[in-house]
Amino acid sequence: GAVVSQHPSWVICKSGTSVKIECRSLDFQATTMFWYRQFPKQSLMLMATSNEGSKATYEQGVEKDKFLINHASLTLSTLTVTSAHPEDSSFYICSARDFLSTDTQYFGPGTRLTVL
Amino acid sequence: AQSVTQLDSQVPVFEEAPVELRCNYSSSVSVYLFWYVQYPNQGLQLLLKYLSGSTLVKGINGFEAEFNKSQTSFHLRKPSVHISDTAEYFCAVFNDYKLSFGAGTTVTVRA
Repeated sequence: GAVVSQHPSWVICKSGTSVKIECRSLDFQATTMFWYRQFPKQSLMLMATSNEGSKATYEQGVEKDKFLINHASLTLSTLTVTSAHPEDSSFYICSARDFLSTDTQYFGPGTRLTVL
Repeated sequence: AQSVTQLDSQVPVFEEAPVELRCNYSSSVSVYLFWYVQYPNQGLQLLLKYLSGSTLVKGINGFEAEFNKSQTSFHLRKPSVHISDTAEYFCAVFNDYKLSFGAGTTVTVRA
């Protein structure tokens, strides 16, 4: 099956620094990638949708200047949490969809971000 | 707009017993429905999906779900659970090229 990887799997940073999370589709071309945020014991909340080569579409309430998304190639999308604060601590999960399957998303293993 | 309601937040169950996880959705249009499983500190894995056709859908790990349009439900079942089925389960509806997730159901399987 299709595999999506995320790097790093966990990261701890100081308040005020920026953190970049990578999401890669390993064996397929992902025309669309999604970024989700998950708080403990809660569901996944969609943050943004990114299509390769174009600007990401952010969900209502998500600060686009805070959470920078780049989808420069068909196999890589990055999420940069800028000037991170403790309230940004969360589990970030990406998913990817290839152009052949509009309904199925393949999820990455997630990145645990802790901001001190 | 789509919404998904998972009626049970936690379901404790004994090993080898059956389990049913309830999911209801609201939609004014045809929907695609999914069940995902999340093991601790991991991403989501697709269990099964309903797109069209037979309302009884079989998935991985012995799970199955039944789409009921009149009751707008998509309940997940497994006739005999294992300890390894302990996980978080999410029901999701797909529309407008996006997934909307329910709040999740925590299944804890005890020996």
